[in-house]
Amino acid sequence: NAGVTQTPKFQVLKTGQSMTLQCAQDMNHEYMSWYRQDPGMGLRLIHYSVGAGITDQGEVPNGYNVSRSTTEDFPLRLLSAAPSQTSVYFCASRGRGYEQYFGPGTRLTVT
Amino acid sequence: AQSVTQLGSHVSVSEGALVLLRCNYSSSVPPYLFWYVQYPNQGLQLLLKYTSAATLVKGINGFEAEFKKSETSFHLTKPSAHMSDAAEYFCAVSDGAGNMLTFGGGTRLMVKP
Repeated sequence: NAGVTQTPKFQVLKTGQSMTLQCAQDMNHEYMSWYRQDPGMGLRLIHYSVGAGITDQGEVPNGYNVSRSTTEDFPLRLLSAAPSQTSVYFCASRGRGYEQYFGPGTRLTVT
Repeated sequence: AQSVTQLGSHVSVSEGALVLLRCNYSSSVPPYLFWYVQYPNQGLQLLLKYTSAATLVKGINGFEAEFKKSETSFHLTKPSAHMSDAAEYFCAVSDGAGNMLTFGGGTRLMVKP
């Protein structure tokens, strides 16, 4: 199993550009989530999904959109990037237990 | 609302010394607690978890943590630090449904030779 995979690894955007961060898992997990990591703040939940067609907001959802059309994929969309969205983004999935499994991350810089 | 506080954003120990990383939480429901480790430029790896079974939880790489309800604490310990333990450590608490994981700010552990 590849586990949780994320693409791209690195991305630089200009303010106002849009992009989609990709996340996929091959563990047949129903639950998937997106976090952002900023220095000194740990990880903060952006959006999560408990299954295909079902998404909900986390702690910091503004400026981000998600959808879940398949069990495997959970893309995160930035419609109009802002410098405040410069961060490292992690996708995670969870099976029947409570522990979440994290992808390797995407480092995003918005100039 | 749940929250996690990690005391000390940086902790430095000598190789072979005791490692103690502190975590206090608040939760309105019986908590599920986790410690994750992050090595440079990598994702998070689960060290151990508490899910209301034994209060002393053993994890990977010789780490363990003790859940103390009266102190709302879940401190991480390791008897003898190795150079390879140098990393950032995150404590986290989950809501009852497992949908909302709240992290502390992280503690960077440095191990001196």
